[in-house]
Amino acid sequence: AQRVTQPEKLLSVFKGAPVELKCNYSYSGSPELFWYVQYSRQRLQLLLRHISRESIKGFTADLNKGETSFHLKKPFAQEEDSAMYYCALSGSRDDKIIFGKGTRLHILP
Amino acid sequence: DTGVSQDPRHKITKRGQNVTFRCDPISEHNRLYWYRQTLGQGPEFLTYFQNEAQLEKSRLLSDRFSAERPKGSFSTLEIQRTEQGDSAMYLCASSLAETGGTEAFFGQGTRLTVV
Repeated sequence: AQRVTQPEKLLSVFKGAPVELKCNYSYSGSPELFWYVQYSRQRLQLLLRHISRESIKGFTADLNKGETSFHLKKPFAQEEDSAMYYCALSGSRDDKIIFGKGTRLHILP
Repeated sequence: DTGVSQDPRHKITKRGQNVTFRCDPISEHNRLYWYRQTLGQGPEFLTYFQNEAQLEKSRLLSDRFSAERPKGSFSTLEIQRTEQGDSAMYLCASSLAETGGTEAFFGQGTRLTVV
């Protein structure tokens, strides 16, 4: 069965410190992995996806198929990074997108 | 605003009443999703459409829930005989399935409160 696990409900990090939001998944096949973000009073939006191999707002995420992980990282946290972050998985282009429960990232001044 | 729009934004209803929500996706998007989100949880998949065809419905979804996308454009989600446990944010998203990856664009959601 498809499953996305985000073990941390809340992560507090000081401004300028590195950030790592953990995501593990379960899927028998080749999934597409995503990170979505929801800033206060805004709609859920895509942050990045593994197939693009891009860095968005300083965030990167590497798909580790051996560990079935897709952790989100940023070397230096900024106050505007405070938000809810959701890891998501899609089995294929014909499959639904399922989400983890989310991690609230709180950047301390 | 050319993004995904949902109507109404808020709905308060009495237990036992029926409610219907509407979602207008981005016009060229052929895929449409419905999710439910409760406090402290991530979006929970309910159902999704490819054009007008309903591809999958969550096994967690009771028979009181039904969704349609009659012309492959807008979609409606109806909840019959609402219960207090139905109180949640209902999110709609759309995507263009043919492009690489399945980036979904979300609406602002409809917040349902059952009293």
